[in-house]
Amino acid sequence: NAGVTQTPKFRVLKTGQSMTLLCAQDMNHEYMYWYRQDPGMGLRLIHYSVGEGTTAKGEVPDGYNVSRLKKQNFLLGLESAAPSQTSVYFCASSYAGLAPDTQYFGPGTRLTVL
Amino acid sequence: AQRVTQPEKLLSVFKGAPVELKCNYSYSGSPELFWYVQYSRQRLLLLLRHISRESIKGFTADLNKGETSFHLKKPFAQEEDSAMYYCADRGNNRLAFGKGNQVVVIP
Repeated sequence: NAGVTQTPKFRVLKTGQSMTLLCAQDMNHEYMYWYRQDPGMGLRLIHYSVGEGTTAKGEVPDGYNVSRLKKQNFLLGLESAAPSQTSVYFCASSYAGLAPDTQYFGPGTRLTVL
Repeated sequence: AQRVTQPEKLLSVFKGAPVELKCNYSYSGSPELFWYVQYSRQRLLLLLRHISRESIKGFTADLNKGETSFHLKKPFAQEEDSAMYYCADRGNNRLAFGKGNQVVVIP
């Protein structure tokens, strides 16, 4: 199993450009998440999904959109990138069980917006 | 709303010295607490979770509901323990993370 993968690994954008980050998992997990990691801020949840076709806002959703058309994929879109969106983005997935579930993280995407 | 507090940003310890990372939570429901570790800007990995009461890589953490704490401890730090450590509380299908602790183990 590849686990959780993210593409691309690095990207540089100019202000106003758009892009999509792809997260894929092969563990048949129901839940998927997008976080951003910034120095001194820890991990903050952007959006998440509890199943195919459903998405919900997290802590910092503004400026981002997501889609979960297939269970194994969770896409994060930036329609008009801003320098404040320079960050490291992590995707995660988890099984939706009755017991506390572990989140499995992807390797991260380092995004710089100029 | 969930809130997880990790008061110290940076912790430097000598190899062989004890390590304690503090974590306090504020979720009003039943807490489900985790510690994640991130080595050198890699992906986050689960270190341990309170429900399993296990010891991983010499680390332990005990849930103290009275103090609403889940502090991470290791009696003898090793150089390979240098990493970022995040405490997290699960509620409403999501994890709330603390801001993290950078641990530097000095040889």
